[in-house]
Amino acid sequence: SQTIHQWPATLVQPVGSPLSLECTVEGTSNPNLYWYRQAAGRGLQLLFYSIGIDQISSEVPQNLSASRPQDRQFILSSKKLLLSDSGFYLCAWSETVLSGNTIYFGEGSWLTVV
Amino acid sequence: AQSVTQLDSQVPVFEEAPVELRCNYSSSVSVYLFWYVQYPNQGLQLLLKYLSGSTLVKGINGFEAEFNKSQTSFHLRKPSVHISDTAEYFCAVSGVQTSYDKVIFGPGTSLSVIP
Repeated sequence: SQTIHQWPATLVQPVGSPLSLECTVEGTSNPNLYWYRQAAGRGLQLLFYSIGIDQISSEVPQNLSASRPQDRQFILSSKKLLLSDSGFYLCAWSETVLSGNTIYFGEGSWLTVV
Repeated sequence: AQSVTQLDSQVPVFEEAPVELRCNYSSSVSVYLFWYVQYPNQGLQLLLKYLSGSTLVKGINGFEAEFNKSQTSFHLRKPSVHISDTAEYFCAVSGVQTSYDKVIFGPGTSLSVIP
């Protein structure tokens, strides 16, 4: 069966510091991969999605970036964090290409920028 | 492009009472529809989805939803809620395409079950 792992679970970082959140999927190949952000009391905001290695689309202009160095690995990064980057970050995957596929979420990472 | 509206941001309901969480969508193409649940400090879990066929969809934990194309709605219902149903519920939509289409999530409805 497929599993998704996301880490770290909790992170407290000072303003201006770098960020790296990592996500890996097991039990499937060539998945679609996603990064979402959920700010307190708000819904889900799609940040990035990837349909293949080095194929990444950004949905929202921001100081975050994403990379997919391997088929089942998705990394969310920032060179300098802002206070507004605080939130709950969710990695997710779905089977390739076809619409209507279920999105499966990781357990999330809490980021607090202080 | 698709959009999703969840009119109720918070729904309090007494234990064992029925509940309906409302979802309306907008789309220029046919759609797939989803309901997800998020328990505190966890990721989202799929409750049910409508792809085609019967407009009444049954999901996990006793939930069901009905697709109404004329009203562009996909309301979630449960005849008798439990304390454990307290969570955030998200409606989502994607367009029916031959290739990838993004899933758009609504803002969520917080269900609080009162003992």
